[in-house]
Amino acid sequence: AQSVTQPDIHITVSEGASLELRCNYSYGATPYLFWYVQSPGQGLQLLLKYFSGDTLVQGIKGFEAEFKRSQSSFNLRKPSVHWSDAAEYFCASGGGADGLTFGKGTHLIIQP
Amino acid sequence: EAGVAQSPRYKIIEKRQSVAFWCNPISGHATLYWYQQILGQGPKLLIQFQNNGVVDDSQLPKDRFSAERLKGVDSTLKIQPAKLEDSAVYLCASSFWGGALDTQYFGPGTRLTVL
Repeated sequence: AQSVTQPDIHITVSEGASLELRCNYSYGATPYLFWYVQSPGQGLQLLLKYFSGDTLVQGIKGFEAEFKRSQSSFNLRKPSVHWSDAAEYFCASGGGADGLTFGKGTHLIIQP
Repeated sequence: EAGVAQSPRYKIIEKRQSVAFWCNPISGHATLYWYQQILGQGPKLLIQFQNNGVVDDSQLPKDRFSAERLKGVDSTLKIQPAKLEDSAVYLCASSFWGGALDTQYFGPGTRLTVL
């Protein structure tokens, strides 16, 4: 069975600083991997997804993620965060007939 | 383009009562999902429909939860009777054809509180 681990429950970053959110997956084959963002009162929004090919994936809102098979990781990065990036971030794997398996989420706090 | 619509947005009930949630997916999307998101956790898939047929309901507690998508468009999720542990946000999502390559679009969710 697929599983996704997000080791950090909360992360605090100063506005303008760089950001990296960690995600580790457990899956035998090459997984389909996703990052979603959930703002208060909003639905989950897809930031980016990885299926194959180039291991560095560009997404919306200036986010990118890098797939590292050797580390079973798919970390999300942003070079400079904005106050509007404060939200809950979810890493997920799977898709298709199995649906998505989500991690528990990382709550991002932006300090002025 | 209209997104996934859900109603109600909030619901408070007492345990052992019944409750129903409604979802209207994006027009033309064949696949519809219901997820349960308990506070502090990521969403968990409850059931997946392809048109009006069930693809996967392995994690749906069938003794109390039921879902239908009769005409392959709107869907309802029902809980009868509700338990305290059912307090959660119920998210509906849809995708065009349901493949792993296909993006799922989520609605705003229904927050259920069971007292």
